Amino acid sequence: DTGVSQNPRHKITKRGQNVTFRCDPISEHNRLYWYRQTLGQGPEFLTYFQNEAQLEKSRLLSDRFSAERPKGSFSTLEIQRTEQGDSAMYLCASSLFSSNEQFFGPGTRLTVL
Amino acid sequence: AQSVTQLDSQVPVFEEAPVELRCNYSSSVSVYLFWYVQYPNQGLQLLLKYLSGSTLVESINGFEAEFNKSQTSFHLRKPSVHISDTAEYFCAVITYNNNDMRFGAGTRLTVKP
Repeated sequence: DTGVSQNPRHKITKRGQNVTFRCDPISEHNRLYWYRQTLGQGPEFLTYFQNEAQLEKSRLLSDRFSAERPKGSFSTLEIQRTEQGDSAMYLCASSLFSSNEQFFGPGTRLTVL
Repeated sequence: AQSVTQLDSQVPVFEEAPVELRCNYSSSVSVYLFWYVQYPNQGLQLLLKYLSGSTLVESINGFEAEFNKSQTSFHLRKPSVHISDTAEYFCAVITYNNNDMRFGAGTRLTVKP
């Protein structure tokens, strides 16, 4: 296993468009997390899944954001009607249920023009 | 909710000098503590962690951190840095009863020849 992967690595879009990012966790990891990181800041928690169940959502996750993990494996994060303030690095991480150690992917850098 | 403060946004040092990156946390319940490192254009990599037991934890590349409950600190140290240690370092905390990992704003360590 090569670790957590995220696609695409970079996404440039125009304001108002919808975008979708994908995260493939480490295969045996049943927990999956999404974070957002803006320039000069640490990652901010957005949401997390245990298997296919979305168990926690941050108040940062507005109605325009939706995340899914339909089969408890890969996850998608969709942003509808993007705004310039959505420009950030979106990070995915995964972990085992029994561990607090999260393994991070390389991130998807979103630029909204 | 728990929070993390990294007291220095940038730390420039010369090669082979010692370094300390400071981290303080705030939480009303017991915590797990982590240091992550982020190299340019890469995801976060776990450097070391404190879960329980010995308050002094070490990484394989010479870094160490000490959990100090009375001072609510988890400072990262290395006795002699290398050019390759240049990166962004993030302190993070998670509580026993949730999965919302909180990160500090990061410290950019720059090692000069």
